[in-house]
Amino acid sequence: EDQVTQSPEALRLQEGESSSLNCSYTVSGLRGLFWYRQDPGKGPEFLFTLYSAGEEKEKERLKATLTKKESFLHITAPKPEDSATYLCAVQAYNQAGTALIFGKGTTLSVSS
Amino acid sequence: ETGVTQSPTHLIKTRGQQVTLRCSSQSGHNTVSWYQQALGQGPQFIFQYYREEENGRGNFPPRFSGLQFPNYSSELNVNALELDDSALYLCASSIQRGGQETQYFGPGTRLLVL
Repeated sequence: EDQVTQSPEALRLQEGESSSLNCSYTVSGLRGLFWYRQDPGKGPEFLFTLYSAGEEKEKERLKATLTKKESFLHITAPKPEDSATYLCAVQAYNQAGTALIFGKGTTLSVSS
Repeated sequence: ETGVTQSPTHLIKTRGQQVTLRCSSQSGHNTVSWYQQALGQGPQFIFQYYREEENGRGNFPPRFSGLQFPNYSSELNVNALELDDSALYLCASSIQRGGQETQYFGPGTRLLVL
């Protein structure tokens, strides 16, 4: 069964304290791995798509990396406005349509 | 801004009632997907429509049904509402290009079933 597990569930950082969020996945054929940011009561906001092991993408203070079994979202020198829930999702070739399978998310709190 | 809108933003229903949620996709996006997100959980795939035909379905009963229209709008219908249907309902629009596809989400409809 295709599965996505995110850790930690919650992370508290001081402003400027860099860290990483983990997304481990089990799929029979990875089509793509996606990172989204979700603010409370809102829809997920697209951040990155990664398609193959070794791929990296960056956007401002965020950098996403991908291996054959997991992805990391590195946050460098975070600011309070980076506080949100970060969701990881996979698309698999054997899934219905192009369904995204999500993890439960990591809730990040950054204090000044 | 993703260009994906949903209505209504909030809705309260009672058990056994029926509800219709609406989504307007980005112009040109030929695929719409619907997800259910319970509190503290990640979104769960309900179903997907591609060019007005159902293209895939998750583990949801038949009382969850949908439609996609030529004008890039779509509907999610839920019959015989149950308390567990209380959740944030998200639609996501996308366009499939060369095997790659990114889904852009709307703000969601918060449904409360009493």
